[in-house]
Amino acid sequence: GENVEQHPSTLSVQEGDSAVIKCTYSDSASNYFPWYKQELGKRPQLIIDIRSNVGEKKDQRIAVTLNKTAKHFSLHITETQPEDSAVYFCAASKEGSNYKLTFGKGTLLTVNP
Amino acid sequence: NAGVTQTPKFRVLKTGQSMTLLCAQDMNHEYMYWYRQDPGMGLRLIHYSVGEGTTAKGEVPDGYNVSRLKKQNFLLGLESAAPSQTSVYFCASTKGPNTGELFFGEGSRLTVL
Repeated sequence: GENVEQHPSTLSVQEGDSAVIKCTYSDSASNYFPWYKQELGKRPQLIIDIRSNVGEKKDQRIAVTLNKTAKHFSLHITETQPEDSAVYFCAASKEGSNYKLTFGKGTLLTVNP
Repeated sequence: NAGVTQTPKFRVLKTGQSMTLLCAQDMNHEYMYWYRQDPGMGLRLIHYSVGEGTTAKGEVPDGYNVSRLKKQNFLLGLESAAPSQTSVYFCASTKGPNTGELFFGEGSRLTVL
């Protein structure tokens, strides 16, 4: 089955800096890559996603890039703010898998004021 | 709309006891999932359903059973709870084909003593 590796497991940045979280996947047939944000004690929520026919997608301060050849994708957060502090999960799935997501183990991002 | 609702939110069990977690969604979604979240392990799929009356095994199904008698409800059962099942359980749903976003419930924290 699919295996998703996520790095780093923890990341601490100063407010205003950029943060990058990287994920690799094993199944070359995977074609959907979402990122979820989970604040402490809350439910995971989708923040951005990308499909394999697109190399990059942006939404205000967040962006995701995908390298299908290398089988890795990354989340980029610019101008970080304290409210960006949370656990971020990457995930992967493929068409025909009934939208079963395989999640990475998560990255705890701390933005220091 | 309430979205995805889980009950109970907290439960303490003794080893060997049984219990059922209820997930209800009011978004008319076809697909529903049960995940467990453990520290440093991300979200792992237990069982899922692609429609009323259907269920299938996920990544970590042992020790759990599920039922989807009504489209809006997805039940997760533990017949004989074990300490290894201490976890936070999340239910999620998605509309279906060509829509990827999972909508999560608030989570249910289960402790097995």
